[in-house]
Amino acid sequence: EIVLTQSPATLSLSPGERATLSCRASQSVSSSYLAWYQQKPGQAPRLLIYGASTRATGIPDRFSGSGSGTDFTLTIRRLEPEDFAVYYCQQYGTSPRTFGQGTKLEIK
Amino acid sequence: QVQLVQSGAEVKNPGASVKVSCKASGYSFTTFGIAWVRQAPGQGLEWMGWITPSNGNTNYTEKFQGRVTMTTDTSTSTAYMELRSLRSDDTAVFYCARDLPGLPVAFTYWGQGTLVTVSS
Repeated sequence: EIVLTQSPATLSLSPGERATLSCRASQSVSSSYLAWYQQKPGQAPRLLIYGASTRATGIPDRFSGSGSGTDFTLTIRRLEPEDFAVYYCQQYGTSPRTFGQGTKLEIK
Repeated sequence: QVQLVQSGAEVKNPGASVKVSCKASGYSFTTFGIAWVRQAPGQGLEWMGWITPSNGNTNYTEKFQGRVTMTTDTSTSTAYMELRSLRSDDTAVFYCARDLPGLPVAFTYWGQGTLVTVSS
């Protein structure tokens, strides 16, 4: 099973700032099958990024993903008030399709 | 448009079973699979397994093996997840998501979630 470790656990920033979230895998994620999801309280997760760097339909271009192998990054440039949420990475190249433990992005 | 609509919240006693449904619409139900994801209160997402509606094949994570059964009814495009021998730490929101078993796809479509509370 691939274990995903996200850091930091909590990130405190202000609107307009840049957020950098990390996801590290215990072994290489095949073909960069790495996704990022955003989850707000009381809502289902929403797919932001798949294939490590491809934005899902309707996702603003301030969200970007990068990385390969075992190290992946989600960057949100110029944070908007609606971006404050919990973010999860997920590898979907192998079974089980594991998730990271999440990074909470909170308003400073 | 693709929709996954789940059944309502449940309250169960310890030791009981719960069966959550997920009704799909807006796409060919047998072309895709359904995955189930658990989220305990204040915790992260936990993939439980998947089912392929076209042939009923399932793949459960080791953690839930022996306690979970995933089924589908192709006549109503509905997937079901039954969890048995419930414990208090099974209290969680359960989500279904459209998957493609055996192929690498991220979860674009999710149900709204079903809260299962296990309490005596």
